[in-house]
Amino acid sequence: GDSVTQMEGPVTLSEEAFLTINCTYTATGYPSLFWYVQYPGEGLQLLLKATKADDKGSNKGFEATYRKETTSFHLEKGSVQVSDSAVYFCALSDSNAGKSTFGDGTTLTVKP
Amino acid sequence: DAGVIQSPRHEVTEMGQEVTLRCKPISGHDYLFWYRQTMMRGLELLIYFNNNVPIDDSGMPEDRFSAKMPNASFSTLKIQPSEPRDSAVYFCASSLVSGHSQFFGPGTRLTVL
Repeated sequence: GDSVTQMEGPVTLSEEAFLTINCTYTATGYPSLFWYVQYPGEGLQLLLKATKADDKGSNKGFEATYRKETTSFHLEKGSVQVSDSAVYFCALSDSNAGKSTFGDGTTLTVKP
Repeated sequence: DAGVIQSPRHEVTEMGQEVTLRCKPISGHDYLFWYRQTMMRGLELLIYFNNNVPIDDSGMPEDRFSAKMPNASFSTLKIQPSEPRDSAVYFCASSLVSGHSQFFGPGTRLTVL
């Protein structure tokens, strides 16, 4: 079945540091890929998405590129802020499956 | 749109009591999902519906858990009887169609004493 593997956390960075959170996936079809973010005390919210190979999703300075050859969708940001502290989930969804498959989440803490 | 609405936001109950969690999905969304999140087990999919019909309930932990969707704008997750190990945050989410992103509600934090 489908699966998503995320870089284990927690990740602690200083403000303005470069962020990478690795995500790789296994899927039988051609899924769409997503990054969700969960701030403390809130539900998950979509951060960015990509629907086909070589697509780049971007939002709020975060980027991720759908790499079919390496089955990866790594999340990057050039300069993190304290307000980026949250849990980040990588996920995939196949249009034939109905449901999404989520990674375990990576906790990011950014210190001033 | 107001987004996915869940109630109550917090629920504290005693072991053995019945608990009912409620969800109103985004209007027009065909899919509705119930998740449970704990520190130990992370985010777990309990059940999901398509056009009000349950499609996959393999994540429902026990017969004590049941979910219904009587119409397109309302769903319930019921636990009867509740146990302390059911303490968690329960999220409802909806999506427009299969394969699209999901929109999550704010969650219900359940504490069973």
